[in-house]
Amino acid sequence: KNQVEQSPQSLIILEGKNCTLQCNYTVSPFSNLRWYKQDTGRGPVSLTIMTFSENTKSNGRYTATLDADTKQSSLHITASQLSDSASYICVVSASGAGSYQLTFGKGTKLSVIP
Amino acid sequence: DSGVTQTPKHLITATGQRVTLRCSPRSGDLSVYWYQQSLDQGLQFLIQYYNGEERAKGNILERFSAQQFPDLHSELNLSSLELGDSALYFCASSVAITNREADTQYFGPGTRLTVL
Repeated sequence: KNQVEQSPQSLIILEGKNCTLQCNYTVSPFSNLRWYKQDTGRGPVSLTIMTFSENTKSNGRYTATLDADTKQSSLHITASQLSDSASYICVVSASGAGSYQLTFGKGTKLSVIP
Repeated sequence: DSGVTQTPKHLITATGQRVTLRCSPRSGDLSVYWYQQSLDQGLQFLIQYYNGEERAKGNILERFSAQQFPDLHSELNLSSLELGDSALYFCASSVAITNREADTQYFGPGTRLTVL
């Protein structure tokens, strides 16, 4: 069964500090992995997308890594800002014959405090 | 603003009723995706259309159906509504034919459905 596990469930950090969110998956056959940021009550916003051959991708202060061998991904946030407070969702796509399946993690809720 | 519009923003209805949610994709995007987000289940992929044709199905119930029209807007129809259908429904759009391609999906602001 395809699964995506995110940790921690929630995290509180001080403004200006760095943090790392984890995503472990058991999805096969792997197609791509996406990280989204979702503010409360708003639609998710894409941060990064990585395919099998990519192991690092950056988007400003956000850097995602992918280890396809261990089936782990991380999202590192540098110099956090209050506006980084949101839920971060990991989504893994599995491709099949002519179609695909999406498996979502339950997200990590990040709170950045002054 | 992602460029994806959804109407209505809020919808309150009763069990057993039928509702229609509407989505207009970003200009130039041919793919439309529908997602459901409830408190206990998180985000779930429902269905994707590309240029009017169904491309992929996720956990969409038989009581739900969708279509994409020639002008590329899409509608999600929910019928015989149950309390458990209360959720945020998001539409997203992209240029890709299928989610297997690593392109960006742009999400709309969502429609909050409350079933009483």
